[in-house]
Amino acid sequence: GAGVSQTPSNKVTEKGKYVELRCDPISGHTALYWYRQSLGQGPEFLIYFQGTGAADDSGLPNDRFFAVRPEGSVSTLKIQRTERGDSAVYLCASSLGQGAYNEQFFGPGTRLTVL
Amino acid sequence: KQEVTQIPAALSVPEGENLVLNCSFTDSAIYNLQWFRQDPGKGLTSLLLIQSSQREQTSGRLNASLDKSSGRSTLYIAASQPGDSATYLCAVKIIDGSNYKLTFGKGTLLTVNP
Repeated sequence: GAGVSQTPSNKVTEKGKYVELRCDPISGHTALYWYRQSLGQGPEFLIYFQGTGAADDSGLPNDRFFAVRPEGSVSTLKIQRTERGDSAVYLCASSLGQGAYNEQFFGPGTRLTVL
Repeated sequence: KQEVTQIPAALSVPEGENLVLNCSFTDSAIYNLQWFRQDPGKGLTSLLLIQSSQREQTSGRLNASLDKSSGRSTLYIAASQPGDSATYLCAVKIIDGSNYKLTFGKGTLLTVNP
């Protein structure tokens, strides 16, 4: 596609529910990143995929958060037993590779609200 | 641990004014620095990317400078317009273990008044 796309754009859920957030990276980009942006804060790194594998998941806050990228393209961020503190904008980015000079391109984000 | 600070947190200026946004980082071992724009409820739009070996980059009315040794960058916006109103984020690329990561500041909320 022309850019990184994310669905849904907005998600409202109740505390304790399970949610899935989807990211479609730019075609041909092997590296994919998830970030979380809380209100008034900058984006914070969650997880990075190189191809199908999670190369670095050190930013995931706890074991309720999980992400997959089974075919090395689309990625899904999964949150179990959502809590009000999970409310944030979840941003996805992709890049051609993971080198020092590869620029990350960001999607529009999914705004998650946990009631 | 790399920390990125942006000052001021918010700025309001009249249309036509030139302005400067500041970004500082604690560890000078960066690969590049990037300025982004974020409109309310939207994702990030890259404005300028400065490689660590560069001193500045320009695009239209925007000029970004980088002083890596002192851990500082500035974004200069000339002849500001109401359409420039947005949050401006600064991010540095570092290496963490064997992976490259972006570390962001909290942003500066800019309002340009007609």
